[in-house]
Amino acid sequence: EVQLVESGGALVQPGGSLRLSCAASGFTFSSYAMSWVRQAPGKGLEWVSAVIGSGVSTYYADSVKGRFTISRDNSKNTLYLQMNSLSAEDTAVYYCVKGLRLWGRGTLVTVSS
Amino acid sequence: DIQMTQSPSSLSASVGDRVTITCQASHDISKYLYWYQQKAGKAPNLLIYDASNLETGVPSRFSGSGSGTDFTFTISSLQPEDIATYYCQQSDTLPYTFGQGTKLEIK
Repeated sequence: EVQLVESGGALVQPGGSLRLSCAASGFTFSSYAMSWVRQAPGKGLEWVSAVIGSGVSTYYADSVKGRFTISRDNSKNTLYLQMNSLSAEDTAVYYCVKGLRLWGRGTLVTVSS
Repeated sequence: DIQMTQSPSSLSASVGDRVTITCQASHDISKYLYWYQQKAGKAPNLLIYDASNLETGVPSRFSGSGSGTDFTFTISSLQPEDIATYYCQQSDTLPYTFGQGTKLEIK
C-alpha cells in the first residue's frame, strides 16, 4: 500500500525553526518528485516546495524562499522540510504529496508565542 | 505566477442535481489541471488529472473538461457523500497554484 506519513509538526515560537519529515512506503520513492503543500486554518491550499526524484533540483514558493529548505534521503525513503525564521503566517497543516497525486494526512505547525 | 480563478466559491445543490465548477487560468496551461476533493478534516483526494482523466477508483459521476485557460468540473448526479470543498490546481508552471476552492453543500 502506498503511504505517506508526515511528522515533526509542533508549536514553535516566532523566529524559531522546525524540521518536518515525510516517510514514504509502497512505491519507488526515488522515482518521484515530491512536494509540500500547506493549508492555513480555514483557508485554501498553497503549494510550498518541490524536489525532483534525484534531489538535485528544488523549487520554492516566493513566500518561503530563503527560509525553507526541501530535501530528501532516497536511502531512507524520506522527504524533509527544514523551516527557519517562522512567523504566524506559516501556521498551517503541512502535507507531503507524491507527484501531486497522493497526499499524506498532514502535520500541524503552529507558530505562536 | 499563474492565477487560478475558481467559481463559485460556494454552492448549494440537491441530491441528484448536476453540479458544475469552473476554473480559469491566467495563462495557457494546456491540459495540466488537477481537481481535488477535500472533506472536512481530511487531506485532499485527487479526482481528475490532466483536465479530463478520472483517477483510478473515482466514481464516474465525476468528470472534467477543458484546455488552455478554461476548465470545468462536473458531478453528474450529486450524492450526499460529495459534501466537500473542491480545488483546481495547475501543474503546468511552477509554482503550482490552486484555485480558491468551492465549498459544496447539500440543500
